Amino acid sequence: EAGVVQSPRYKIIEKKQPVAFWCNPISGHNTLYWYRQNLGQGPELLIRYENEEAVDDSQLPKDRFSAERLKGVDSTLKIQPAELGDSAVYLCASSLADNSYNEQFFGPGTRLTVL
Amino acid sequence: KNEVEQSPQNLTAQEGEFITINCSYSVGISALHWLQQHPGGGIVSLFMLSSGKKKHGRLIATINIQEKHSSLHITASHPRDSAVYICAVRSKTSGSRLTFGEGTQLTVNP
Repeated sequence: EAGVVQSPRYKIIEKKQPVAFWCNPISGHNTLYWYRQNLGQGPELLIRYENEEAVDDSQLPKDRFSAERLKGVDSTLKIQPAELGDSAVYLCASSLADNSYNEQFFGPGTRLTVL
Repeated sequence: KNEVEQSPQNLTAQEGEFITINCSYSVGISALHWLQQHPGGGIVSLFMLSSGKKKHGRLIATINIQEKHSSLHITASHPRDSAVYICAVRSKTSGSRLTFGEGTQLTVNP
């Protein structure tokens, strides 16, 4: 069974440019998470989807970040415009449902460098 | 103070040594996760536990709910165990959100 797929794996852009990340969760997983992980720190949740609905986006910087999961499967996370401080690893994870009995499965992440 | 504290932050061991990584948390939890992150960013879930002890191969995870403490043990460590080990908790009061520790960088030398 394929795991969580993310692309690209690495992205280098100049500040003020837009960037987008793509995530394909494990088949059948209704819950999808986007995390940001700064160097030397643990991941921090940006947004959580239940199917196509964003049910927790309180940590998403909405002035420059946006996300969508139109058909409740794949998801994209966009930053426009990117700032130097956005350099981080962006992780996508999925789980069968959002409860404490379901593990989250993580993708390989996208390492973003903003110059 | 972070809700999830790990120790040590960095750990260097010789191949074959027994390794312990500790995690303390300050909130009531419904589950605790131990995760492994290799260079390149990908995270693998090692254990999810809410009580007692779990074992998988050379890895053992324990949790003491009363003391709000968990440990991850690696027996007969190997250089391929070198990675960042992250503790994450699901708080009873924060819904489904995971709160992560900052991770422990483990290096096992041959």
